[in-house]
Amino acid sequence: SQQGEEDPQALSIQEGENATMNCSYKTSINNLQWYRQNSGRGLVHLILIRSNEREKHSGRLRVTLDTSKKSSSLLITASRAADTASYFCATDGWGNEKLTFGTGTRLTIIP
Amino acid sequence: EAQVTQNPRYLITVTGKKLTVTCSQNMNHEYMSWYRQDPGLGLRQIYYSMNVEVTDKGDVPEGYKVSRKEKRNFPLILESPSPNQTSLYFCASSLYGGGYEQYFGPGTRLTVT
Repeated sequence: SQQGEEDPQALSIQEGENATMNCSYKTSINNLQWYRQNSGRGLVHLILIRSNEREKHSGRLRVTLDTSKKSSSLLITASRAADTASYFCATDGWGNEKLTFGTGTRLTIIP
Repeated sequence: EAQVTQNPRYLITVTGKKLTVTCSQNMNHEYMSWYRQDPGLGLRQIYYSMNVEVTDKGDVPEGYKVSRKEKRNFPLILESPSPNQTSLYFCASSLYGGGYEQYFGPGTRLTVT
């Protein structure tokens, strides 16, 4: 079953603009992570937010988590051409080491 | 250099011919896992392992086998591959479990004809 669903499926913005993508999930989670993937390569970890946290920052990344709505958002500020990639959320549950990924958002930054 | 390696990177095979995709990590991680990635479906976990000799099914284990005889290695075995197993496969590892940063290998593109 697919736990996470990203929205939108695809997003194109101008370089320098902010990009926001969302992730919704179905069951209670322990942690939520965001990953980036460039063109079929291996995924790269961006940020992890725990279920008792509401917001986390890392450089130009800002992640929020709303457990009441079972959703998270990833904001990339001042986007760059190098941010062009697919972005995935991943969740794990309490007492369950299975990791479930969403279907991803394809982000294109237009120079 | 800390890394996860997979071999082979590309493989074309025929239906029913047993194959093994190897995965190795040099970070002394406890947790290792396999995923397949298909267009529109994201990554789906096939199997994961919390430690040596401990493996558990992910969301799509049918048609796959794994073993964890050594901490660093976690091979994926397809005993009788079928065309619906054509996919991009990733191995990953982390320090302790699913709730930790995952380190991914470069991927293995498998085609079964």
